[in-house]
Amino acid sequence: GDSVTQMEGPVTLSEEAFLTINCTYTATGYPSLFWYVQYPGEGLQLLLKATKADDKGSNKGFEATYRKETTSFHLEKGSVQVSDSAVYFCALSPNTGNQFYFGTGTSLTVIP
Amino acid sequence: SAVISQKPSRDICQRGTSLTIQCQVDSQVTMMFWYRQQPGQSLTLIATANQGSEATYESGFVIDKFPISRPNLTFSTLTVSNMSPEDSSIYLCSALQEISKDTQYFGPGTRLTVL
Repeated sequence: GDSVTQMEGPVTLSEEAFLTINCTYTATGYPSLFWYVQYPGEGLQLLLKATKADDKGSNKGFEATYRKETTSFHLEKGSVQVSDSAVYFCALSPNTGNQFYFGTGTSLTVIP
Repeated sequence: SAVISQKPSRDICQRGTSLTIQCQVDSQVTMMFWYRQQPGQSLTLIATANQGSEATYESGFVIDKFPISRPNLTFSTLTVSNMSPEDSSIYLCSALQEISKDTQYFGPGTRLTVL
């Protein structure tokens, strides 16, 4: 079945460091891919998405490219800030039916 | 995008009692869902709230424990019944809009602690 595998955390970086959080997926069809962010004490917010191969989603300096050949959707940011400290979830929608598949989440802490 | 609110935002409850969580969306949506997020864990889908009919539950979740209502296209409730400490979690409501049907929007969550 469809699934998402996400890089284990926690991740601790210094401010202005480069961030990569790995996400790979398994899907039988042509899913849409998402990154959600959960700030402390809050619900999930959509960070970015991509709906087809080679699409790049971007928002707030974060980027992720839908790579069908490697079944990946890695999240990157060139220079992280303390305010980026949160838990990041990779997710997949198979676009058939309503099921949404989430990764286990990666906790990011950015220190000044 | 849809803006989703939940009430209460948090609660502390006694074992054996029940709590009803409300979810309100600012626009009509096609689908509404309820998730549970246990401490330090990812999201687990509890059920799909169907408008005007019984909810569709995922494996491991039953109606007697988690009754759900959805009387219209913008509102749903989840009740956590006969609570035990194992029910301590964040409960999240989400929704799919017709216009962006592949994107789920989430409420801020209800943080439940059962003593």
